[in-house]
Amino acid sequence: DIQMTQSPSSLSASVGDTVTITCRASQDIRNYVAWLQHRPGQAPKSLIFGASSLQSGVPLRFRGSGSGTDFTLTITNLLPEDFATYYCQQYDTYPLTFGGGTKVDIK
Amino acid sequence: QVQLQESGPGLVKSSETLSLTCTVSGGTMYDFYWTWIRQPPGKGLEWMGYVHSSGRTDYNPSLKSRLTMSVDMSKNQFSLRLTSVTAGDTAVYYCARELGMWQPVDPWGQGIQVAVSS
Repeated sequence: DIQMTQSPSSLSASVGDTVTITCRASQDIRNYVAWLQHRPGQAPKSLIFGASSLQSGVPLRFRGSGSGTDFTLTITNLLPEDFATYYCQQYDTYPLTFGGGTKVDIK
Repeated sequence: QVQLQESGPGLVKSSETLSLTCTVSGGTMYDFYWTWIRQPPGKGLEWMGYVHSSGRTDYNPSLKSRLTMSVDMSKNQFSLRLTSVTAGDTAVYYCARELGMWQPVDPWGQGIQVAVSS
């Protein structure tokens, strides 16, 4: 299985901050990476697919980048609704696998 | 827009069979891959497998011997059966849609908590 190593596992930030989350794949997965947002009690939400393409309706303050094995999610100008857990996910090869998650909470 | 809702028992006895259903609303099930993903408490997300609208399935090898997925297009539902459950199968179970091979998973259901009791 492809391992997705995500870091950090948690971070504290303030409204208005910029945060960066990284994900490293154990092998080349081209650009088949998605980023998910999960708020407690809600359905996980797909933010980014193809490493850098925003899902419809996702604000431009979310940006994804990378290819091959190294990927990044950057959130600029954090808003209160952005405090959540974020996961990377590869869909290059079955079984699909996920990073361990990054919990973004309020400083 | 497509919405998914999981249903089923919240408690299953050890060694018995866990059965869950996902109801799809707001869109067609045709030619999509319908997926189950779970998250045990304190652990990461695990892709369990998919059932295509045609009935074709693919399962995570770690679960393959115990897992069956099926689809009922007439009811806009797909289902999961996991046999011989243990405490390790305690998790939040999510249903979701895969748009296709090399396509992202979107949307997801809210998830259903299932506990396995001894």
